[in-house]
Amino acid sequence: GAGVSQSPRYKVAKRGQDVALRCDPISGHVSLFWYQQALGQGPEFLTYFQNEAQLDKSGLPSDRFFAERPEGSVSTLKIQRTQQEDSAVYLCASSLVGEAGNQPQHFGDGTRLSIL
Amino acid sequence: KNQVEQSPQSLIILEGKNCTLQCNYTVSPFSNLRWYKQDTGRGPVSLTIMTFSENTKSNGRYTATLDADTKQSSLHITASQLSDSASYICVVSLNNAGNMLTFGGGTRLMVKP
Repeated sequence: GAGVSQSPRYKVAKRGQDVALRCDPISGHVSLFWYQQALGQGPEFLTYFQNEAQLDKSGLPSDRFFAERPEGSVSTLKIQRTQQEDSAVYLCASSLVGEAGNQPQHFGDGTRLSIL
Repeated sequence: KNQVEQSPQSLIILEGKNCTLQCNYTVSPFSNLRWYKQDTGRGPVSLTIMTFSENTKSNGRYTATLDADTKQSSLHITASQLSDSASYICVVSLNNAGNMLTFGGGTRLMVKP
């Protein structure tokens, strides 16, 4: 597809379960970002990849959150032992190159995660 | 405390009218300032990106301004359309890599017929 694709669009899980969220960036985009967006708030940064290298994971809220991008394209955000406060929309974005200043980030439509 | 503050939080206007959304930031220094449009249930879409040396940039009916001295930006929407109903998010970037974006809370705009 032409844009960033995220799956699933909706995920409901019971507290304590593990979940995996997938992001397919735009083909050829070097940089990939994950964000968490609470209802009515702006997105908050979680982690950043340049190709397969995770250059910044300072926004991950706890060690239950893990992200990978093993081949420099598709990325997976995994949340272990989910808690109710993990309920949010998880957005993925990609941009053409890193360290290029005025590159827009292209966002997917997110995965809405609800923890019961 | 959020370092990017937007006002108003919400706004209702009639179709065809103009409106201006405000963004004040305390983030410093910054690499660029961005405005995004986010439709309900969708991801944000980039409208404009301005470096600190630019003071205006247009994208169709959207015009963004930046005053780096007063740390203020605005987004002006001309001749509003029903499809402009969305949240508009101001974002300040601390660097070029894109991993240091500070998002405002957004202004929710509703355009009524």
